[in-house]
Order: sequence, then C-alpha cells, then structure tokens
Amino acid sequence: GQNIDQPTEMTATEGAIVQINCTYQTSGFNGLFWYQQHAGEAPTFLSYNVLDGLEEKGRFSSFLSRSKGYSYLLLKELQMKDSASYLCAVRGAGGSYIPTFGRGTSLIVHP
Amino acid sequence: DVKVTQSSRYLVKRTGEKVFLECVQDMDHENMFWYRQDPGLGLRLIYFSYDVKMKEKGDIPEGYSVSREKKERFSLILESASTNQTSMYLCASSLLDQTNTGELFFGEGSRLTVL
Repeated sequence: GQNIDQPTEMTATEGAIVQINCTYQTSGFNGLFWYQQHAGEAPTFLSYNVLDGLEEKGRFSSFLSRSKGYSYLLLKELQMKDSASYLCAVRGAGGSYIPTFGRGTSLIVHP
Repeated sequence: DVKVTQSSRYLVKRTGEKVFLECVQDMDHENMFWYRQDPGLGLRLIYFSYDVKMKEKGDIPEGYSVSREKKERFSLILESASTNQTSMYLCASSLLDQTNTGELFFGEGSRLTVL
C-alpha cells in the first residue's frame, strides 16, 4: 500500500515564498507528481520528479529525496491566484501507472 | 489542446436510481480513470482502464461499475445510487508510455447529489 501525508492547510502573504511538504511511504516508487486545483476546477499538472533533486519551472520548484520519502513544492513570489489546493501524488512500482493522491494542501494567499 | 470532457457538471438523483457518468478524451490515451473527491479525503480511485474492454478495481470500487467499449470513452455506472455516493467525480486519462511522465489529464468533474 501507499501512505501519503501533506499538511491540510497553509496560509501565506502575497509576494512571499511558501514550501508545501509531502512525505510518502510506498511499496516501490516510480515518480511523484504535484497538481494544482483551484476551487471548482479540475486538477492541473505542475511537476514530476523521479530522480533526487530540484526541478525548477518558473516560480514553482519541486524537490525529491527518495531515500527520505520526501518531496516539497516551493512557490516563490506568491500571487493571489496561487490560492488553491496542491495535490501530491505518488506512482508505485511494478509497471503500474496508477498514482495515489495525498489529501491535498489548501493554500490561502492573503494580501 | 488536450481535452477530457465529462458529460454532466451537476446531477441530482434519488436514492436507488441508476446513474451514468460519461467521460470522453480526445488524446488517444490508453489509460482512463475515475476518482471521487471528498473534503478531507482527497482523490480516491474507483476504477481504471488501460485498454478497451479492460478494467481494474481501484481503492473504492464498491457500488460502482465501469464500461469501456471504445478507447476514447470511459463510463462510470452507479447501479443503485445511495446518499453516501454524493460526491465530486473526476475522470482522467494518461498515456501508457515509459518515455513520458504519465501525467493525468482531468475532466472538469461531475458533482453528484443523491437525495
């Protein structure tokens, strides 16, 4: 089975930096995803990590440590539109392409 | 532009009714998924399909069935709706390919209320 843990809710100030953590325990590992979901909308893909290290994509970066079962999503220069839920999802091994999702972190950005 | 389309954004049904949720993707993806999303529980996998006429149970298949007669279409069926099936249902698809990330593309969701 897979167990994925991330904080339920975080708040931050516009213009600041926020780090959303995700820890996981899985039987095998074949990649970790971050998705963004605005209220009432579909989740959209943000990032994918399969090797250790930092992947940077504009204001968003995602980090992975496979030995620690740990990832974070870093959001810089926060904007009001970044208020959303951020979903961590882990794909197990064994040829399966099925990701398991954490419960999501609701990020509130205030002025 | 990639597209996953769910037939109904909002549905209200009565207990015991049969409910069909339709999902169509235009990306020629092999994998298709049905999740339900509930507050505090996140996305939970109901069923998935990796090919036409193929289906596999996810984590919470009880009370649901699926149909995949064509590659682009994946239907979720509630044979006899119950109030605990009131939820947001999300369909997704992905490419079965080791050369890409296999990211999921989601539909807009179908919010089902069972009275």
